[in-house]
Order: sequence, then C-alpha cells, then structure tokens
Amino acid sequence: DADVTQTPRNRITKTGKRIMLECSQTKGHDRMYWYRQDPGLGLRLIYYSFDVKDINKGEISDGYSVSRQAQAKFSLSLESAIPNQTALYFCATSDPGTDSYNEQFFGPGTRLTVL
Amino acid sequence: AQSVTQLDSHVSVSEGTPVLLRCNYSSSYSPSLFWYVQHPNKGLQLLLKYTSAATLVKGINGFEAEFKKSETSFHLTKPSAHMSDAAEYFCVVRDRGSTLGRLYFGRGTQLTVWP
Repeated sequence: DADVTQTPRNRITKTGKRIMLECSQTKGHDRMYWYRQDPGLGLRLIYYSFDVKDINKGEISDGYSVSRQAQAKFSLSLESAIPNQTALYFCATSDPGTDSYNEQFFGPGTRLTVL
Repeated sequence: AQSVTQLDSHVSVSEGTPVLLRCNYSSSYSPSLFWYVQHPNKGLQLLLKYTSAATLVKGINGFEAEFKKSETSFHLTKPSAHMSDAAEYFCVVRDRGSTLGRLYFGRGTQLTVWP
C-alpha cells in the first residue's frame, strides 16, 4: 500500500554500525508502530507512538530507538547493529477515531541483514 | 493478557479444495480479531476483521472466519483454494478494553497450494 512507505527496502550492514530505517505515511493517522518479523515468530512490537510527543516501548525495544519527526514520519534506529537484529521490519499506522476495531495499515517492509 | 495461537505452522492443499487455517485466542476483555495475509516480498494486507456485529465475518478473496466465543476460536476458511492464495497468514488479537491499540500476532501459517 503506497500510503505507508519505508526506506530502504533492503539493507546489508556490519556489526557495530548505526542504521536508520524510515517510515512515512500519507494516511493522516496519528498512531504509528514499528514491528520486526522473524521466521516462525510472527510480528513483535518494538516501539509505538500515538502522536508526535508520545513515544512508548513495545515488547522488544532493547537495542532500538525511535524518533517521531512529524505526524507523517517515524524513524527506527539501531545504534550499534548486531547480527540477531537481522529481520524484516514493518512500519504500521492506525487511526483510533471512535472505532475500536480499526486495523493497522502496514508498509512494504525493510529487510535488514547484519553481518 | 492477550495471546494468539495458530495451530498449524504449515498447511498444504490442492487447488480447488477447501482451506482451513486454525486460530485460538485469549483475551482479558472482548477482543477484536483480524486475519492478515502476507504474500512473498509484500507487506501485510487485511483479509477480514471481527467487529462483534456478526459472528461469521466475510473478507476479501472469498475468505471468511467464524468467531466462536465458547471455543475462543477464529478459524479462517475458504471453500475453494486458488494458486494465488499461497501466502503466509496471521491471526491477530486486539484487546478492545485497552486504549493502547496494540496488536498481538500469532506466529503465522504458511499456506501452500498445489496445482
């Protein structure tokens, strides 16, 4: 879905390097999320943000940090990448509104390999 | 606490035969339930969602799921598989009693469709 874009789509880096993954959305949603996907484990939440001034840790935030530069932009950083951070990373957005059933809309993913 | 168990990591069917992907959930409150599909090298796409208006939920591409509270299940079905259905499927639960909007993902079921 072109409404949520992620850059880069693929990245290979070395242990110890700093990496930033970027997410942009044109849906006008306040809520944004970062997940990582590992084979056989589904998606796990890293960080989430309900607005520009609100950042919250998810279930696996260690080794990661985020920045919400604007309503439309949410970046994920790996300060010092390690091999077990090799995974597929997804950004997602949602609009809570008054509908508690609103789904999340996902970007195409960034495949990160740490050597 | 919320959690999702997808009972099969892999399901294989022949084209034209029925599909059944099983999902059990646990939720402290009334849940929202979703099925997402992920085609190779693609992001996640919403197939259907349970909104409590009806226990039988119809989604895109001929898929449907039935919410059974007594069995805490939300199995995904399709009467006749198509080659294009080959993908990974995720069952997802959200606690409607929570304002956080977090989603909890199952580990995924890989569907293979044989010609």
